[in-house]
Amino acid sequence: GAVVSQHPSRVICKSGTSVKIECRSLDFQATTMFWYRQFPKKSLMLMATSNEGSKATYEQGVEKDKFLINHASLTLSTLTVTSAHPEDSSFYICSAKRTASTDTQYFGPGTRLTVL
Amino acid sequence: AQTVTQSQPEMSVQEAETVTLSCTYDTSENNYYLFWYKQPPSRQMILVIRQEAYKQQNATENRFSVNFQKAAKSFSLKISDSQLGDTAMYFCAFMKLGYALNFGKGTSLLVTP
Repeated sequence: GAVVSQHPSRVICKSGTSVKIECRSLDFQATTMFWYRQFPKKSLMLMATSNEGSKATYEQGVEKDKFLINHASLTLSTLTVTSAHPEDSSFYICSAKRTASTDTQYFGPGTRLTVL
Repeated sequence: AQTVTQSQPEMSVQEAETVTLSCTYDTSENNYYLFWYKQPPSRQMILVIRQEAYKQQNATENRFSVNFQKAAKSFSLKISDSQLGDTAMYFCAFMKLGYALNFGKGTSLLVTP
C-alpha cells in the first residue's frame, strides 16, 4: 500500500513563533497533496491543494501568508504556520495522490499543533 | 459546491449486530466518487470503501457494503457483524475527479459488547 508520513506528530510552540510540518509520500510519487485542518470532534476542513512545482491553491478564508505551503518535490510537501497564535492550535492532516486525476488519496497520521 | 450531509451525529450498535450509517450529498455533477473513511481514536484516516458514480453495482469490502442510490443522491454504509474495533468516527466524502475530498460532518459509532 501507499504510505504517507507526517513529521512531527505533535508540536508545542510559543505564540509568535513559526512551525513547519512535513508531509512525505514514502513509497510513491505524489503530484498532488492536500492539507486539512481538523478541530476536536469535527470534520476535516480543506485548507489548500498543492501540486508539485506549482503554487498552492488555498481555500476561501485560509490566510496564504499565515499558512505557507511548499510542494518542492514529488515526495514532500511542507506546511509552515507563521507567527502562530493559540487559535492556530489544531490537528493538521495531509493527504497525497499519485496524480491529479487519480481518485485515491492516502492520508498521513496527522500533526497535533499546540500554541501556548 | 457539493455538500455532504451525515444526519446521525452518534450511533451505537451491539457487537455482532448490523448498523447502517446514512449519507446524502448534493451535486450537479454526473461523474464523481464517493467514499467512506474511518477515523479511530488514533486519528489516522482509513479508507473503508469507495464507489464510482458510473457503476450501478454497490461496492462491498468484507463486512462493509454501501447502498448507492444515485438518483436519490444517497450513499449509506452498512457494517455487518460489528466488531469492537469498528468503534470510530465515520466520514462520508464526495470527490469530483481532479479535486479534493469534500467530507461530511461525521458519525461517531460506538460498538458495545
